[in-house]
Amino acid sequence: AQTVTQSQPEMSVQEAETVTLSCTYDTSESDYYLFWYKQPPSRQMILVIRQEAYKQQNATENRFSVNFQKAAKSFSLKISDSQLGDAAMYFCAYRSRENYGGATNKLIFGTGTLLAVQP
Amino acid sequence: SAVISQKPSRDICQRGTSLTIQCQVDSQVTMMFWYRQQPGQSLTLIATANQGSEATYESGFVIDKFPISRPNLTFSTLTVSNMSPEDSSIYLCSGYTGNGYTFGSGTRLTVV
Repeated sequence: AQTVTQSQPEMSVQEAETVTLSCTYDTSESDYYLFWYKQPPSRQMILVIRQEAYKQQNATENRFSVNFQKAAKSFSLKISDSQLGDAAMYFCAYRSRENYGGATNKLIFGTGTLLAVQP
Repeated sequence: SAVISQKPSRDICQRGTSLTIQCQVDSQVTMMFWYRQQPGQSLTLIATANQGSEATYESGFVIDKFPISRPNLTFSTLTVSNMSPEDSSIYLCSGYTGNGYTFGSGTRLTVV
């Protein structure tokens, strides 16, 4: 079974600085998706960025970028020019690309990293 | 992207009673997922619901405790039955459209 690990329960960054959130995962599959979600106090889950495992190029979305290391099964999120609105819980998530044994597109979430942004 | 309206947003319930949580999507979704989340912790999948078939439950969750309804492609309910204080948690629904996932804003349940 796949597992997702986020080793940093809490992180803090100064406004306008850069911070990197770590995520590792374990899988025997060769094709899958990886996601970073943001959950502010409102509880609304917001997609930050998505990476397809078969793509070697790291995904980027404005100030957010990932460092995807498939061999190392690592998927870190870099937030540049941090803003106060970036403060939230961040979850790394995994999804099989195909329905292996009835996987049914479910997301497997990591334990989360609570990011604080200091003014 | 699809928008999910989840109700109620919070509730305080007596032990032994049941609560039904509703999720209405503004467009059709292929699958609905129901999660439980302790405050400040990760999301644990309870079950996956497809239209017209029984939900598929994850290990540790059973249909008698968490019956799910999925009458069409835009609506689903989760019932938390015979509640105890251990059921106090946040419950979230999520819809999958093929283009991605959308989430409800959660139901904070407190059982007293």
